[in-house]
Amino acid sequence: RKEVEQDPGPFNVPEGATVAFNCTYSNSASQSFFWYRQDCRKEPKLLMSVYSSGNEDGRFTAQLNRASQYISLLIRDSKLSDSATYLCAVNNRADSWGKFQFGAGTQVVVTP
Amino acid sequence: DADVTQTPRNRITKTGKRIMLECSQTKGHDRMYWYRQDPGLGLQLIYYSFDVKDINKGEISDGYSVSRQAQAKFSLSLESAIPNQTALYFCATSEGGRETGELFFGEGSRLTVL
Repeated sequence: RKEVEQDPGPFNVPEGATVAFNCTYSNSASQSFFWYRQDCRKEPKLLMSVYSSGNEDGRFTAQLNRASQYISLLIRDSKLSDSATYLCAVNNRADSWGKFQFGAGTQVVVTP
Repeated sequence: DADVTQTPRNRITKTGKRIMLECSQTKGHDRMYWYRQDPGLGLQLIYYSFDVKDINKGEISDGYSVSRQAQAKFSLSLESAIPNQTALYFCATSEGGRETGELFFGEGSRLTVL
């Protein structure tokens, strides 16, 4: 079983709708969490870090559920430009915050 | 110019050839990483380096070697390339030892081994 798992999708979302998806992690020692966005054949770029209390950045909301060991990303009022693959990443102090573990990504396709 | 630069961006080679992928960064970060990405498998860590004298194996280091020539340079070598090493390779950097530290990626090197 992979340490970090994501539903690969695709999630087909009408423009203006809301989409949400999760990422589960198996290492209970995981302490820092991130969402990255990756456009087709491009490098991943940080979308947002995920804090224990949850956090919001514009139309994007990230949540952490430590008890069930997953993080979530919600996108409100989806735009065509939100079409991408969203990768989650986890890290922990045991490896001096050095070994980021990534999920395989969730593809989101926003349609007109 | 990109903060993390990878060369070559694309390479086609034959089985058994030696290949080097190079990475340089201007971010001043101590930590550098090499990942490979395959469809459906996400990013897998090959090697990582916390400073010039510290190099560590990642999840899938077999068949690869690295060299940290300077703080700003980290190269990945395939001594004898094989077809299942066909993948998209990313170099990344991060600041040292912070819980909130993020990874900054290069634009990727697409390697095809025939």
